[in-house]
Amino acid sequence: DVKVTQSSRYLVKRTGEKVFLECVQDMDHENMFWYRQDPGLGLRLIYFSYDVKMKEKGDIPEGYSVSREKKERFSLILESASTNQTSMYLCASRTPGTVYNEQFFGPGTRLTVL
Amino acid sequence: GNSVTQMEGPVTLSEEAFLTINCTYTATGYPSLFWYVQYPGEGLQLLLKATKADDKGSNKGFEATYRKETTSFHLEKGSVQVSDSAVYFCALLSYNQGGKLIFGQGTELSVKP
Repeated sequence: DVKVTQSSRYLVKRTGEKVFLECVQDMDHENMFWYRQDPGLGLRLIYFSYDVKMKEKGDIPEGYSVSREKKERFSLILESASTNQTSMYLCASRTPGTVYNEQFFGPGTRLTVL
Repeated sequence: GNSVTQMEGPVTLSEEAFLTINCTYTATGYPSLFWYVQYPGEGLQLLLKATKADDKGSNKGFEATYRKETTSFHLEKGSVQVSDSAVYFCALLSYNQGGKLIFGQGTELSVKP
């Protein structure tokens, strides 16, 4: 079975802190994604990565950056956390091949910024 | 631009009731369409998909038909169970930006015994 894991289920940080959210997948997927999920807004794409060291901005990249040094790991970085970044963060990965392939999601990290 | 609109939740049903969750989309061309489900405390799982007009996706008793003429992909189930309580997301696949999924806002379903 494909497994996508995220480093924390719940995280509480203070305004201005640098925050790292880690995502690891175990199926050699090339493509990886970071979304945030907010009530009434569904999921919105923050960043995605086609492959190692490749990244593209999604719809809401402001205030975030990413790192993909190894194929299995995709990190989301909040350079200086703010209260409006309190949200559920979901990581996903996709098998290589056509874009029709399913995205597999991790369990999510619920981040609270105080 | 591409977008997905779902019916507002929460939806509360009794066990064995019929379920419909409406989903309409706006897109250029003919995107692939998906329903994802999120059970409490978990990530999203693919429930079903359809890749072209008139396709019917089905899984676990759920069905959805890709209707090009009405730009819709409504989710249905004939008899819901308590275990179907979850949040359901309709999504379309955007061919630009590396196959980005564009999600609706989600519909929470609560099934009571």
